[in-house]
Amino acid sequence: EADIYQTPRYLVIGTGKKITLECSQTMGHDKMYWYQQDPGMELHLIHYSYGVNSTEKGDLSSESTVSRIRTEHFPLTLESARPSHTSQYLCASRAGTNEKLFFGSGTQLSVL
Amino acid sequence: KQEVTQIPAALSVPEGENLVLNCSFTDSAIYNLQWFRQDPGKGLTSLLLIQSSQREQTSGRLNASLDKSSGRSTLYIAASQPGDSATYLCAVRPSNYQLIWGAGTKLIIKP
Repeated sequence: EADIYQTPRYLVIGTGKKITLECSQTMGHDKMYWYQQDPGMELHLIHYSYGVNSTEKGDLSSESTVSRIRTEHFPLTLESARPSHTSQYLCASRAGTNEKLFFGSGTQLSVL
Repeated sequence: KQEVTQIPAALSVPEGENLVLNCSFTDSAIYNLQWFRQDPGKGLTSLLLIQSSQREQTSGRLNASLDKSSGRSTLYIAASQPGDSATYLCAVRPSNYQLIWGAGTKLIIKP
């Protein structure tokens, strides 16, 4: 049902590397979100966007940045990965007037 | 500050049983409450959304209720099946703010 895609599914990298996690949706949704989730824990909002050229920091923006140049694309970049960034990253989107969130399958990141 | 709690963290029941999952929140001033399902290694799927003015929502074998005054929501699953095994998360939306999430209940349905 959900047409929201995240790549890569799994990523293992060394400390200090710059990485970009990709998220794309084909539903034309205005609102997009990045969440971080550790095993057995609640989701924490990292960044969100309400449309092109609009981005906001969430509760846990840490050292990451996002961009929203096109409606369908909302990449997340870590400038210098650290072991504390090891986690699952989930991308989500929804239409402007619809509360229902659609999630991608997630990226499991491991920083050594 | 709004906090969302889901107890128990894990639950195992035999197939065919009816069961209830709990979600509690500390501030009754919410816009809506949602229940999601998460399968291992996957993203989340929205199950039910209850607006603040509603008392319950139903979808198939699932029924979610909302009692704002007591800060509680329940997700009722009828005639449980092994395919219902997953982690169930609830999230509340304070008025005009971002979702606040519970940590989830991991449900195992034994054949």
